[in-house]
Amino acid sequence: EADIYQTPRYLVIGTGKKITLECSQTMGHDKMYWYQQDPGMELHLIHYSYGVNSTEKGDLSSESTVSRIRTEHFPLTLESARPSHTSQYLCASSSPYRGRAQGEQFFGPGTRLTVL
Amino acid sequence: DAKTTQPPSMDCAEGRAANLPCNHSTISGNEYVYWYRQIHSQGPQYIIHGLKNNETNEMASLIITEDRKSSTLILPHATLRDTAVYYCIVRVANRDDKIIFGKGTRLHILP
Repeated sequence: EADIYQTPRYLVIGTGKKITLECSQTMGHDKMYWYQQDPGMELHLIHYSYGVNSTEKGDLSSESTVSRIRTEHFPLTLESARPSHTSQYLCASSSPYRGRAQGEQFFGPGTRLTVL
Repeated sequence: DAKTTQPPSMDCAEGRAANLPCNHSTISGNEYVYWYRQIHSQGPQYIIHGLKNNETNEMASLIITEDRKSSTLILPHATLRDTAVYYCIVRVANRDDKIIFGKGTRLHILP
């Protein structure tokens, strides 16, 4: 079983608020990822990290930012939330040495964000 | 990584085998075929992967054509819980890197 956690699971917040979505994994994985997905639509990679102090932008431009100060923690921050940020945010991690397929990604349960 | 083409949706009767096709005509020799699925609003889950030989595990079977330009994921006895979006992904072997999920195939299992 994958041990990757996201909090909160659901968040409803007003426009202009600063929010941080938490993602933690206890598997010691070096690589972590953030995906954004609207209902019924594709998953889009918005951020990823190869390890501590490494962050890269994904294929979909996002106004969010991420940090990777500890291996197990990869939080995503929106400085000023807007209705266009309403979406589901999924966190994942992987390791070349773990999983049934090299580089298998393990996903958290997701955070469903609604900005009013 | 090579691109893949999948039908947008498919139906399958409960208890029957579900056969999900995937075309990857530009696949390179060192690229594997991976399958993931995403059950409603959950994170995607790994199912199976292969290079050129057919593969089987407790979840599914993967049939790859001899020229490796297409493959089929088989769920031998589909249940309602198999209703999900199935993603076919082609990736370089031994590469632990970001995955680009396409649109996938939305599989509906009919009671």
